[in-house]
Amino acid sequence: ETGVTQSPTHLIKTRGQQVTLRCSSQSGHNTVSWYQQALGQGPQFIFQYYREEENGRGNFPPRFSGLQFPNYSSELNVNALELDDSALYLCASSTNGQFISTDTQYFGPGTRLTVL
Amino acid sequence: GESVGLHLPTLSVQEGDNSIINCAYSNSASDYFIWYKQESGKGPQFIIDIRSNMDKRQGQRVTVLLNKTVKHLSLQIAATQPGDSAVYFCAERKASYDKVIFGPGTSLSVIP
Repeated sequence: ETGVTQSPTHLIKTRGQQVTLRCSSQSGHNTVSWYQQALGQGPQFIFQYYREEENGRGNFPPRFSGLQFPNYSSELNVNALELDDSALYLCASSTNGQFISTDTQYFGPGTRLTVL
Repeated sequence: GESVGLHLPTLSVQEGDNSIINCAYSNSASDYFIWYKQESGKGPQFIIDIRSNMDKRQGQRVTVLLNKTVKHLSLQIAATQPGDSAVYFCAERKASYDKVIFGPGTSLSVIP
């Protein structure tokens, strides 16, 4: 186990609704990254938060937003859900990424979102 | 754009044999190349990485080879076990920025 937890495990929403996913990072980690993994594909980077500020963003629209809290836990918010948003959403925690080996990035088990 | 891709989507090997999973990448500016293992219902698990200035790195039962000339990465698993059955992703990252770019994955199935 990595020590990274995510909630909820599964979630079903309908088109147009909004969703909030949560992630608790591993103790001592100050950086959280969020990824979207469609069925049968590799995870795609959404964005990263470091010390409560967005520290980089992938090719996702503004309706994907996030927060990081003082305890380094994080939320991913998706507004105006679309059918294509159905995926496994993964968070990964790490220490600040500059010049640190990749094995500091630990993934949670993910939240499976289904949009009907 | 950036991409990391795999040659083979599925691979079946006999228990005890060696496995080789291959990957092609296109972003020559990456500083680290990484292999992740993802079991059903779990998040990706780091296996091993290699810096771009190296061509080989060994871990416990695993070896990663990097050929920058042809932009090719491979993962070798020695004495494959049933517990190695999973989807394997190659990925890349720049040291100064923690974003990880994943490839589409190869499913490894170990036959007892």
